Amino acid sequence: AQSVTQLDSHVSVSEGTPVLLRCNYSSSYSPSLFWYVQHPNKGLQLLLKYTSAATLVKGINGFEAEFKKSETSFHLTKPSAHMSDAAEYFCVVTAASGGYQKVTFGIGTKLQVIP
Amino acid sequence: ETGVTQTPRHLVMGMTNKKSLKCEQHLGHNAMYWYKQSAKKPLELMFVYNFKEQTENNSVPSRFSPECPNSSHLFLHLHTLQPEDSALYLCASSQEAQRGYNEQFFGPGTRLTVL
Repeated sequence: AQSVTQLDSHVSVSEGTPVLLRCNYSSSYSPSLFWYVQHPNKGLQLLLKYTSAATLVKGINGFEAEFKKSETSFHLTKPSAHMSDAAEYFCVVTAASGGYQKVTFGIGTKLQVIP
Repeated sequence: ETGVTQTPRHLVMGMTNKKSLKCEQHLGHNAMYWYKQSAKKPLELMFVYNFKEQTENNSVPSRFSPECPNSSHLFLHLHTLQPEDSALYLCASSQEAQRGYNEQFFGPGTRLTVL
């Protein structure tokens, strides 16, 4: 079984303050984990991914995430929010099983950045 | 053209119409995917093609019919749709579908409205 829980459907931060978007997962296999961002009327863009190498993963635009196996978490952070960060963020878990890739998306977190 | 392109970007159709969505990837990938994105729901994986072979059909109604003539092109043929099929349809590609660590690259989507 595999699932992803994004703990907040909406997060609001002031420009220049830290961002924390939370994601918990469960997987029966050795998962890979991803964060994608979607700006309005656009497709999804990869921010970063964890694939069993370093547990602290750095991505584009100053985002990073830490894989914590004991807590089954993969929270996304950024030290200082920018107006352009306002978008929807998706946590994704994938695992290969029986020759097929199982992909599970979280429901998404909408990030609002207040000037 | 670079990345993943989708046409048309917007489509309005009646329930008795037949239309097709087109996706093309310029990344040299071997796997392609169709997703449905509806408001307040996680992304729903519809179909997966790996090396032109369909490997997943997630209980999608037969009014949606995919076609993958080669690794670079993917179509979604639509006929006798229902209003609840209105959504953003996203196409994605990845290196191959059997490896959990391969990230997916998304197109901008087709916004479909069924009247």
